[in-house]
Amino acid sequence: GAGVSQSPRYKVAKRGQDVALRCDPISGHVSLFWYQQALGQGPEFLTYFQNEAQLDKSGLPSDRFFAERPEGSVSTLKIQRTQQEDSAVYLCASSHRGFLDYGYTFGSGTRLTVV
Amino acid sequence: EDQVTQSPEALRLQEGESSSLNCSYTVSGLRGLFWYRQDPGKGPEFLFTLYSAGEEKEKERLKATLTKKESFLHITAPKPEDSATYLCAVQAVNDYKLSFGAGTTVTVRA
Repeated sequence: GAGVSQSPRYKVAKRGQDVALRCDPISGHVSLFWYQQALGQGPEFLTYFQNEAQLDKSGLPSDRFFAERPEGSVSTLKIQRTQQEDSAVYLCASSHRGFLDYGYTFGSGTRLTVV
Repeated sequence: EDQVTQSPEALRLQEGESSSLNCSYTVSGLRGLFWYRQDPGKGPEFLFTLYSAGEEKEKERLKATLTKKESFLHITAPKPEDSATYLCAVQAVNDYKLSFGAGTTVTVRA
């Protein structure tokens, strides 16, 4: 596709429920990132993939967060036993490796609300 | 740790009233400084990448400049459609992630 696609756009989860957020990056983009954006704040880094390899997961806030990209294209961010503090917009971004002139292309995000 | 501070938090402008947004940063070797625009309910949209002090880039009514410690985004004769949150981010040498500031929300009144 022409852009980064994320689904669902909105997700309401009951506290303790598991959720899975999907990201379809731009075809051919090697690098894929997940960011978390709280209301009124800038995006915060969660994790980075280069192809199928997860090279950095230092931003994941707890072991309840897990991300995968098994075939080097689509990625899934999973949150187990959701808590209210997990409520945020989760953004996915992709780019050609090392190609900064066009920055990273972000999707529109998934807004997660934990009730 | 890389740090990015943006000011002001919010800016209200009259249409045609030019102004500047500030992005102060500390990074262990700058690979690139990025400006993004974010509309409500959307993901950030790329505007510019700046690589070294003294560099300038322009796009329509926007011009971004870079020094060793800060970057400015100048909005010349803004229009209501320029209303958005503008995000600044840095990438360090030998790193791949972007570190973002909290953004400046610009509102342009007709």
